[in-house]
Amino acid sequence: DIQMTQSPSSLSAPVGDRITITCRASQNIGTYLNWYQQKPGKAPKLLIYAASSLQSGVPSRFSGSGSGTDFTLTISSLQPDDFATYYCQQSFNHPFAFGPGTTVDFK
Amino acid sequence: QLQLQESGPGLVKPSETLSLTCTVSGGSISSSDHYWDWIRQPPGKGLEWIGSMYYSGTTYYNPSLTSRVTMSVDTSKNQFSLKLSSVTAADTAVYYCARTYGSGSYLDSWGQGTLVTVSS
Repeated sequence: DIQMTQSPSSLSAPVGDRITITCRASQNIGTYLNWYQQKPGKAPKLLIYAASSLQSGVPSRFSGSGSGTDFTLTISSLQPDDFATYYCQQSFNHPFAFGPGTTVDFK
Repeated sequence: QLQLQESGPGLVKPSETLSLTCTVSGGSISSSDHYWDWIRQPPGKGLEWIGSMYYSGTTYYNPSLTSRVTMSVDTSKNQFSLKLSSVTAADTAVYYCARTYGSGSYLDSWGQGTLVTVSS
């Protein structure tokens, strides 16, 4: 099975900052990497699919990059609505594992 | 707009079988472009993918749960279901149903989730 790791596990940042979250797969997954945002008590929401494609309706301050085993999610200018937990997920093969999550909170 | 809604008991006794149904509206479960998934999240923890199925009946399960999981689909009702047998307290979680877009296998639509507690 493919294992997913994320770093950092949490980060604190002020509104307006640029932040980057890293996701690493235990083997080459090409660009089969997706990013989700989850707020407390809510279902996850798809942000980025295929490593760098922005889901419809998601603000352009979100971007994704990477291929192979190393991926990043970047928020170019953190907004109050972005304080949440972010998960990566590999969809290269089953089981479709999620990373452990990165919680972004207000500094 | 596609909507998914989980339903089922919120409390299940240890050793019994957890049964949940996801009702899909605003789209067809028989779509050739989509798979239908279950994901769970224990309180305060991360997401765990349980399994995925196609309307034809093809299924993929998480190996960590495969001996206890059964997924099925009812195309006439536009529903799909999850059964998890021999539950323990470790199966207490919010259970989500979701739609996967086939070619990229990303989860593009989710239900709101339902909390299932395993307790006597």
